[in-house]
Amino acid sequence: NAGVTQTPKFQVLKTGQSMTLQCAQDMNHEYMSWYRQDPGMGLRLIHYSVGAGITDQGEVPNGYNVSRSTTEDFPLRLLSAAPSQTSVYFCASSLDSSGRAAGYTFGSGTRLTVV
Amino acid sequence: SQELEQSPQSLIVQEGKNLTINCTSSKTLYGLYWYKQKYGEGLIFLMMLQKGGEEKSHEKITAKLDEKKQQSSLHITASQPSHAGIYLCGAGYRGSNYKLTFGKGTLLTVNP
Repeated sequence: NAGVTQTPKFQVLKTGQSMTLQCAQDMNHEYMSWYRQDPGMGLRLIHYSVGAGITDQGEVPNGYNVSRSTTEDFPLRLLSAAPSQTSVYFCASSLDSSGRAAGYTFGSGTRLTVV
Repeated sequence: SQELEQSPQSLIVQEGKNLTINCTSSKTLYGLYWYKQKYGEGLIFLMMLQKGGEEKSHEKITAKLDEKKQQSSLHITASQPSHAGIYLCGAGYRGSNYKLTFGKGTLLTVNP
């Protein structure tokens, strides 16, 4: 099984550009989420989804959009990139929203730099 | 203030030594997760604790949950260079237990 696949692994954007970070899982997990990881800040939740067609905001949603049209995919869109969005982005999924079954499976991350 | 505090922030030990990392919550825990991260990589799930007094082991890593203190400790016995990395605790809280809150992590270096 591939688990959680994130693409691209690295990306450099100019301020004001838009882009989509892709996240796909092949484990039939209902719950998916996006985190960003910054030095000294730890991991912070951006958006999450408890199933296809259902999304909600996390702790730091501004500047990001998500959609969940299928169980497998949960793309994260940056509408107009800003230097403050320079970060490492992680996508995570779990079988159910409690995550109790086997924890949350994380992708390997996308390292984004906005210049 | 941080809901989930990890200590220490960083730790350097000699191979073969034991060590402990703590994770303390300012709110009542619904579930506590431990992850390990190697530089430039994703997070690897180690274990999840839910009940007070619960203790779980994964190879030479043991984690316990103290419900009274709302604290979890992660203990590594006879550390090896392969244990090096960043250890993160994540917490779920009642009513939002799927929205994990993470500590800032503990950077562990194991010198051979």
